[in-house]
Amino acid sequence: TQLLEQSPQFLSIQEGENLTVYCNSSSVFSSLQWYRQEPGEGPVLLVTVVTGGEVKKLKRLTFQFGDARKDSSLHITAAQPGDTGLYLCAEYNNNDMRFGAGTRLTVKP
Amino acid sequence: ETGVTQSPTHLIKTRGQQVTLRCSSQSGHNTVSWYQQALGQGPQFIFQYYREEENGRGNFPPRFSGLQFPNYSSELNVNALELDDSALYLCASSSGWDEQYFGPGTRLTVT
Repeated sequence: TQLLEQSPQFLSIQEGENLTVYCNSSSVFSSLQWYRQEPGEGPVLLVTVVTGGEVKKLKRLTFQFGDARKDSSLHITAAQPGDTGLYLCAEYNNNDMRFGAGTRLTVKP
Repeated sequence: ETGVTQSPTHLIKTRGQQVTLRCSSQSGHNTVSWYQQALGQGPQFIFQYYREEENGRGNFPPRFSGLQFPNYSSELNVNALELDDSALYLCASSSGWDEQYFGPGTRLTVT
């Protein structure tokens, strides 16, 4: 059973700071998705990465997929209070969807 | 276009009881997936329904069952509730395994 390990578990920073969160596995990902979940809501898909070494940008968010497709990172530049939430990575494989436990980010004004 | 809706929002049940949770999928979507999210954890996949048939199941016991209706809405049924079933139950609609759109969830508390 492939486990998705996310780090750090919690992160609290000031507005304007940069941050990076990670998602790792002992096995190769077929593809990887990143979601953000805000309190009282369901997760919202941010990006899907498929190819090793792939980099995708979404405004201030940069997603990277490791060359070996066993790790991924999400970097946020100049974080804002609106970025606060639970960041989850997930993999779909063989009619099964697995999520990591998430990184809970708090951005203080 | 309406989004994914779930009912009820909150629910309190007693151990041993049965519960039914409901999900209306987004217009145009034929697939509904159900997840259990315990406090402080990521969602865990329960099962998926595609065109009224179960199309994948996670590591959950048979007392977790579901239905999908011709309009693609879905129900999650849990029998013989246990304290550990307390969680946020999320449904997500999609076209197959394309991008999933999650509802806001039903918060179930078992006492």
